[in-house]
Amino acid sequence: DAGVIQSPRHEVTEMGQEVTLRCKPISGHDYLFWYRQTMMRGLELLIYFNNNVPIDDSGMPEDRFSAKMPNASFSTLKIQPSEPRDSAVYFCASSPPGQAFGKTGELFFGEGSRLTVL
Amino acid sequence: AQTVTQSQPEMSVQEAETVTLSCTYDTSESDYYLFWYKQPPSRQMILVIRQEAYKQQNATENRFSVNFQKAAKSFSLKISDSQLGDAAMYFCAYGGFIIQGAQKLVFGQGTRLTINP
Repeated sequence: DAGVIQSPRHEVTEMGQEVTLRCKPISGHDYLFWYRQTMMRGLELLIYFNNNVPIDDSGMPEDRFSAKMPNASFSTLKIQPSEPRDSAVYFCASSPPGQAFGKTGELFFGEGSRLTVL
Repeated sequence: AQTVTQSQPEMSVQEAETVTLSCTYDTSESDYYLFWYKQPPSRQMILVIRQEAYKQQNATENRFSVNFQKAAKSFSLKISDSQLGDAAMYFCAYGGFIIQGAQKLVFGQGTRLTINP
């Protein structure tokens, strides 16, 4: 079975441009997460979805960031306008439905999209 | 809020030897999960091992094992018979014990492990 697929793998853009990152979760997984990784702040959770519905976006830095999940097999993270401080690796991860009692919490990550904003 | 601390930014070990990576965490919860994830140069985060806090027995996965000290809130990873393919960033992560909703993991800053041939 294919893993979490992200695109693009690398993106270089100029300040002010719109950036769209894409993610295809593992089939059958009902949770999807967007994380950002930087040297300074490590891995930060930006937003997560359950059954295509955004549940918690408290980690989204500001209004320039938006995320959508129009269906169970696709999600986007958009930055408009982009700024140099947005440069980071953005990870998408998915997880399957929980067990009968509690959740094990294993996340399945994509390979990340490295964004550089000049 | 929960926090995870990895005090060793970098570690190195000779191939075939054993290395231990440290992790401490802070929580007021009694039930939770702890994880070690590996991030090789390919960037993809891969689960190495998982520990349920209610289990006293330390988790083991082949050459990987943990030393879970609940009272001390310590969760170290031991890699035995280190191999060149073990070279990566290793992240310790904490997840609360939840019934509904998603498991929002809190990650440490990572330890870069180098394997010397």
